[in-house]
Amino acid sequence: QLQMQESGPGLVKPSETLSLTCHVSGGSLSSDDYHWGWIRQPPGKGLEWIGIGLYTGTTYYNPSLRSRLTISIDTSKNQLSLKLNSVTAADTAVYYCVRWSSSSGCLDPWGQGTQVTVSS
Amino acid sequence: DIQMTQSPSFMSASVGDRVTITCRASQVISSYLAWYQQKPGKAPKLLIYLGSTLQSGVPSRFSGSGSGTDFTLTINSLQPEDFATYYCQQANIFPLTFGGGTKVEIK
Repeated sequence: QLQMQESGPGLVKPSETLSLTCHVSGGSLSSDDYHWGWIRQPPGKGLEWIGIGLYTGTTYYNPSLRSRLTISIDTSKNQLSLKLNSVTAADTAVYYCVRWSSSSGCLDPWGQGTQVTVSS
Repeated sequence: DIQMTQSPSFMSASVGDRVTITCRASQVISSYLAWYQQKPGKAPKLLIYLGSTLQSGVPSRFSGSGSGTDFTLTINSLQPEDFATYYCQQANIFPLTFGGGTKVEIK
């Protein structure tokens, strides 16, 4: 069964770079049928799509974050990563890694999520 | 971006009730709509995709319908474990977008 697990620092200073990693077990990231990506949820709020990537290097980003965002996939380590530059308090959220099906458009499974707080 | 509008945003219901949640897209999305359930402190869980296809392992009391711009999630005979927040998500075009959520609480 595919499982996804996020990791990274829980506290990031304003203007610095938020870096997260998601390790995938029970399946390969080298699939043409699935993209891999990130969703976030600010405290007490709804879900925001951050972006996704394919093992080929193709990426799709939320336009609201594109200028600050890099998503990459390392098939040798079976993991994906997220880098978000120049963070502010508005980037405080729980960050989830997800698998996206290109045929159905749905997100499944999800990692358990990791809380990231932006504060000095 | 496609805006997804869920209603209601909050509802109180009793065990055994039939619950209906609606989701409206700001433009046609064919059947590229998914529904998720989220409990406090947990990741969302996929319930339904392509508008009406039940995800494996999800109880049959959950059902989805609709296409185009208007969609519905129905829960027949609400169970105690169904009290949660529900989100719709469109997948017709990037950026993927979610509805604002519907919180279902115990009456």
